[in-house]
Amino acid sequence: DAMVIQNPRYQVTQFGKPVTLSCSQTLNHNVMYWYQQKSSQAPKLLFHYYDKDFNNEADTPDNFQSRRPNTSFCFLDIRSPGLGDAAMYLCATREQGDTQYFGPGTRLTVL
Amino acid sequence: GEDVEQSLFLSVREGDSSVINCTYTDSSSTYLYWYKQEPGAGLQLLTYIFSNMDMKQDQRLTVLLNKKDKHLSLRIADTQTGDSAIYFCAERLYGNNRLAFGKGNQVVVIP
Repeated sequence: DAMVIQNPRYQVTQFGKPVTLSCSQTLNHNVMYWYQQKSSQAPKLLFHYYDKDFNNEADTPDNFQSRRPNTSFCFLDIRSPGLGDAAMYLCATREQGDTQYFGPGTRLTVL
Repeated sequence: GEDVEQSLFLSVREGDSSVINCTYTDSSSTYLYWYKQEPGAGLQLLTYIFSNMDMKQDQRLTVLLNKKDKHLSLRIADTQTGDSAIYFCAERLYGNNRLAFGKGNQVVVIP
C-alpha cells in the first residue's frame, strides 16, 4: 500500500503560470518535507513542516511556497515557474526519531 | 558543517558483488542511510545504520561504518540487473530534522 502519495506524477505548466503539487501520507507522520531534484543531482531540501511549524531553507526562492492544511496533506505552490524550476519534486515524511520515507515524485516540465 | 561525498559511477557484472563508498565530515551524525533511486522514481530507503554500530547486514546488503575515518560503505552481494540505479548515502545529525545527501553513485549492472 502506498504510504506517501504524490499527485500528479507528471505535471506540465507554462512559464509563469502558477502550479500546485500535492503530497499526502497515510503514515500519520508529523514531519513532511519538500525536495527539488534536478537531473544527476542529489535532492535539495526546499522546506519542511514539523507539525504546523513551517521551516524554510535559507536558499529557497520566494517563488516556492507551501501549505499544510492537516497532518495528511502538504502542497508545494510555485507562483511563477521559470524554466529553471523544471525538476523532480519529492515529498517525504518522518515520524520523530525515525527515518524519512519518500514519495514517487512529481516530474515538472515548464514550457 | 555537513558534506557528504560519493564517487559517481560503478559498473559491475551480474552475480558479482558491488561496493559503493561514501565519506562524510560531521562527526555528530546519528543515523546514516542508503537510498536507492531508479530512473524517474522517488527514493527508496534501503537500509540505515546507527552511528554506534560498525556493521549491519540485511539479506544481500552489508553496511560498514568506520567512524574514525567517517567512511560508510554499502556492499551488494550477488548483484542483479534490478540493482541498476543511483544510490545516495545520507546523514542525519543529532536533533536535526534534515538529511545531508551525497551526490549519488550510479550503479550499472551488466548481464
